[in-house]
Amino acid sequence: EVQLVESGGGLVKPGGSLRLSCAASGFSFSSYSMNWVRQAPGKGLEWVSSISSESSYIYYADSVKGRFTISRDNARNSLYLQMNSLRVEDTAVFYCARDPYNDRPPGWYFDLWGRGTLVTVSS
Amino acid sequence: EIVLTQSPDTLSLSPGERATLSCRASPGATNFLAWYQQKPGQAPRLLIYDAFNRATGIPGRFTGSGSGTDFTLTISSLEPEDFAVYHCQQHSSWPLTFGGGTKVEIK
Repeated sequence: EVQLVESGGGLVKPGGSLRLSCAASGFSFSSYSMNWVRQAPGKGLEWVSSISSESSYIYYADSVKGRFTISRDNARNSLYLQMNSLRVEDTAVFYCARDPYNDRPPGWYFDLWGRGTLVTVSS
Repeated sequence: EIVLTQSPDTLSLSPGERATLSCRASPGATNFLAWYQQKPGQAPRLLIYDAFNRATGIPGRFTGSGSGTDFTLTISSLEPEDFAVYHCQQHSSWPLTFGGGTKVEIK
């Protein structure tokens, strides 16, 4: 089955760190650019970061630049998001999402989504 | 940054009625616009890409149209499972951006 499964969310204090993971299965993970998208409670979707298949191209939203780091391990079919200096406004469900085309740089729409993992930043 | 403005915020309709959702891009997004459906507690699902192409498995009652600055998602006859929140997203330029969403609720 083609799927993405996020993990690593939880409750963290402002200023703290958290590392999210996304496990991919059922498709050739190493061929696709991948993304993180978040959704604050009751709010719309916000793109967070994108990474190309070989990690050559990486992009961040201004709201997380310098605090979050996206990475991937193609041998483990996994995508990661290291989140440092977390703020209350980072509270959201974080989704892992796949680009629709293999072997192309990122910057498209998202054709496969995980179910998300909740990150709560609160003292 | 391309700002996407969706309207209305909420659309109250009955099953069988036609739904027309708007997404306005400023500045324009050429044809690089996608639509997603999201139900409570679920991840978004891709409906339409590149303004008018239906994603795999999406029923024909969903139609995307428009280009440049004005885009429309039309649901020709609402089924009970269509009541959800709909998001538009542009991939014309970085950063990738989403609209605020339109909720289609049962009247």
